Amino acid sequence: GQSLEQPSEVTAVEGAIVQINCTYQTSGFYGLSWYQQHDGGAPTFLSYNALDGLEETGRFSSFLSRSDSYGYLLLQELQMKDSASYFCAVRGPFGNEKLTFGTGTRLTIIP
Amino acid sequence: GAVVSQHPSWVICKSGTSVKIECRSLDFQATTMFWYRQFPKQSLMLMATSNEGSKATYEQGVEKDKFLINHASLTLSTLTVTSAHPEDSSFYICSATLEAFFGQGTRLTVV
Repeated sequence: GQSLEQPSEVTAVEGAIVQINCTYQTSGFYGLSWYQQHDGGAPTFLSYNALDGLEETGRFSSFLSRSDSYGYLLLQELQMKDSASYFCAVRGPFGNEKLTFGTGTRLTIIP
Repeated sequence: GAVVSQHPSWVICKSGTSVKIECRSLDFQATTMFWYRQFPKQSLMLMATSNEGSKATYEQGVEKDKFLINHASLTLSTLTVTSAHPEDSSFYICSATLEAFFGQGTRLTVV
């Protein structure tokens, strides 16, 4: 099977930088994605990494190390609206047939 | 861009009744759609993969006779929760692509 672990809660200060980690176990790896979900809302796709390294999209960046089965989401210049739950997810295990989501991280931004 | 519409956004039903949730892809055709369930403060769990013109693929532990999925056209998949019970109360979310586009979600409360 597949499993992804994330810290359950993270608190950060407005304007600062925060990193949300994700470690995964999967029999076949086809990419790591990140999602943001506000309370009561649906997930919003943030980023996708198939290869090692850092992908940057505005204030958000995502990193992947396949050898370490590890990735992280980096949020810069934090804003109050960034308070939400963040999920990593992997495709597979045989290809692009489905997504398995991580345990989720509740990010709280404080003034 | 592509949009996925899910209806209703919330529903309250009596125990023992059935509820139908619709998921539509508005500007593209989706041969495959995905149904997830999310309990409060938990992650998204894939329930089933809906395949246009054929039977859905259910995840282990999901009762196919209780959660009926129909994908009769390239733009519409429906999930019917039959004989609903309070433990079925949850947030149900569809997606019409593997990872990028999700419906708004349906909050089901069974009383």
